[in-house]
Order: sequence, then structure tokens, then C-alpha cells
Amino acid sequence: ETGVTQSPTHLIKTRGQQVTLRCSSQSGHNTVSWYQQALGQGPQFIFQYYREEENGRGNFPPRFSGLQFPNYSSELNVNALELDDSALYLCASTSLGKANYGYTFGSGTRLTVV
Amino acid sequence: QQQVKQSPQSLIVQKGGISIINCAYENTAFDYFPWYQQFPGKGPALLIAIRPDVSEKKEGRFTISFNKSAKQFSLHIMDSQPGDSATYFCAASWGETPLVFGKGTRLSVIA
Repeated sequence: ETGVTQSPTHLIKTRGQQVTLRCSSQSGHNTVSWYQQALGQGPQFIFQYYREEENGRGNFPPRFSGLQFPNYSSELNVNALELDDSALYLCASTSLGKANYGYTFGSGTRLTVV
Repeated sequence: QQQVKQSPQSLIVQKGGISIINCAYENTAFDYFPWYQQFPGKGPALLIAIRPDVSEKKEGRFTISFNKSAKQFSLHIMDSQPGDSATYFCAASWGETPLVFGKGTRLSVIA
């Protein structure tokens, strides 16, 4: 059973640029959630994808967008990067619709905006 | 609005001692309360979770105590070891809503 894998592990971007982060969900999981974790803080929910549709969104602006593909992998896109977007971005997968589900997190992508 | 409040921010415990981390929540609809462990450079890993139909759950050295009336739950780590040094997050959710996390507790277990 493979876990959640994220790429790249580290990234440095300039303010105003765009970035795409990628996530492969754990085998057997059908749902992917993205979280932003600022330094010294708990993860904050960005959005969730189920069956290729966004089915939940946290308090993040529209320049944060995503996709889920038929194989349940996912992308997080951030446009017009701001310095405050510097954080660890975590992807988590689960199986909605199954009892006692749990979220499996990847190791994250560390994004630095300069 | 912080829906899950976690304390303390940091904790230092002697090897072999008991580590206790507390969380309080506001939303009475929450019905799933997990604890996650995170090591530097890694994502959070599920440690143990509880649902409100029980007041305590134990897995090895880790125990969750749950007080529904007080809207509080806590993690107890018995016989704490240096390898337990990590950041611990409580979280909560209801139905199939996403997890809401506390701000984390940095635990250091010293020999």
C-alpha cells in the first residue's frame, strides 16, 4: 500500500509568480484535501476534492485553485504569489463514504516566496 | 474564530514521565477527534482517534480522554521516551467535513 506522495519537496518562487503543487493519493482513497501550514501553526484547510469536484473550501481566496484527476491525484495552483503564501503545503487523502475513515498526510511541499 | 484550542504550546517532560496535552472545542456537532504526531520535515501522522460515544481510548502508551460535557479531550503519553519528541496536534471534524486543527504542542522528552 503506497502512501501519499507530494512533489516537489521544496520550492522557491518570486512574489507575483504562479506555482503548481502535485499530490498522489494513497491507494484506495478517493478524496484529496489540501492544507496550508504556516511555521509554528496547525494546518489550515484550503479545499477538498471528491470525484474530481471541489466539495469544500476553507477561507482562502480564489487565487488558490485545484484539480483532481480520474486516478484521484490532485494539483494545487496558486496564482499571484504573496510573501504570506510561504508555508508547508500538505496534501491528505481519505475515502469518503466509508466508516471510520482517517486522513493520510503526505510530507508536504515547502514553498518559499521571496 | 479558533474552533479547537490546544494547550500547552510547548512541554518538556523527563524520560519515563507522563505527557499531557489538552484540547477544547466549541462546535458540539464535532463527532471525530484525532491526534496527529508530526516530526520535522514530515507531514502529520495519525496517532489515535476517538468518537464521543466513549470517554477513553487506549492504544499502547497513548490514551485519549474525552469529556463531552466540558467539550474537552486530552492526550496522555505514558512512559514518555525521547523518540516521542515531536509536535502534536489535536483535530476535530463532524460528518465528512474537513479536519479543524489546534495550533500544536511541541513536546520535548529529555533523558
